[in-house]
Amino acid sequence: NAGVTQTPKFQVLKTGQSMTLQCAQDMNHEYMSWYRQDPGMGLRLIHYSVGAGITDQGEVPNGYNVSRSTTEDFPLRLLSAAPSQTSVYFCASSSTGGWYNEQFFGPGTRLTVL
Amino acid sequence: TQLLEQSPQFLSIQEGENLTVYCNSSSVFSSLQWYRQEPGEGPVLLVTVVTGGEVKKLKRLTFQFGDARKDSSLHITAAQPGDTGLYLCAGNYASGSARQLTFGSGTQLTVLP
Repeated sequence: NAGVTQTPKFQVLKTGQSMTLQCAQDMNHEYMSWYRQDPGMGLRLIHYSVGAGITDQGEVPNGYNVSRSTTEDFPLRLLSAAPSQTSVYFCASSSTGGWYNEQFFGPGTRLTVL
Repeated sequence: TQLLEQSPQFLSIQEGENLTVYCNSSSVFSSLQWYRQEPGEGPVLLVTVVTGGEVKKLKRLTFQFGDARKDSSLHITAAQPGDTGLYLCAGNYASGSARQLTFGSGTQLTVLP
């Protein structure tokens, strides 16, 4: 099993450009989520999905879009990148969204917006 | 927005020393998890605690959940260089969505040989 995979590993964008961060998992997990990690701020939830076709907003959703057409994939789209979106992005999955469940994280995408 | 405060933010110790990291909130947790993150990687779950007063041990790591379920601690005995990493606590709040974890800002631990 590959677990949770993310591409690309690194990305540099100019302000106003758009891009999609890819996330895939092969554990048949229903629950997937996107976080951003900034220095001194831990991880903050951007969007999450409890199953194919169902998404919802987290703590910091502005400037990001998601969709979930399959159980395996959960891409994160930046429509018009801003310097404030410079961060490390992590995708995670778990078997359900319940309180006890372990979240499995991908290796992250380091994004710089100039 | 619920806040989870971790302390200390940075900790540098010698191999063989003991240390404790704290995670505090003014709100009650339904459950709390501790993760460890190494450079260039995503966090990896160490433990989940759900019952007030609960103590769990993982080799040299001891995790405690406060009686009131508002705080937690991680104690490492005889730290080793391999313990170096970012330690994150993450909580599900009793009044919030079970699907949203709130993470603390982390404790960066460095264990010197």
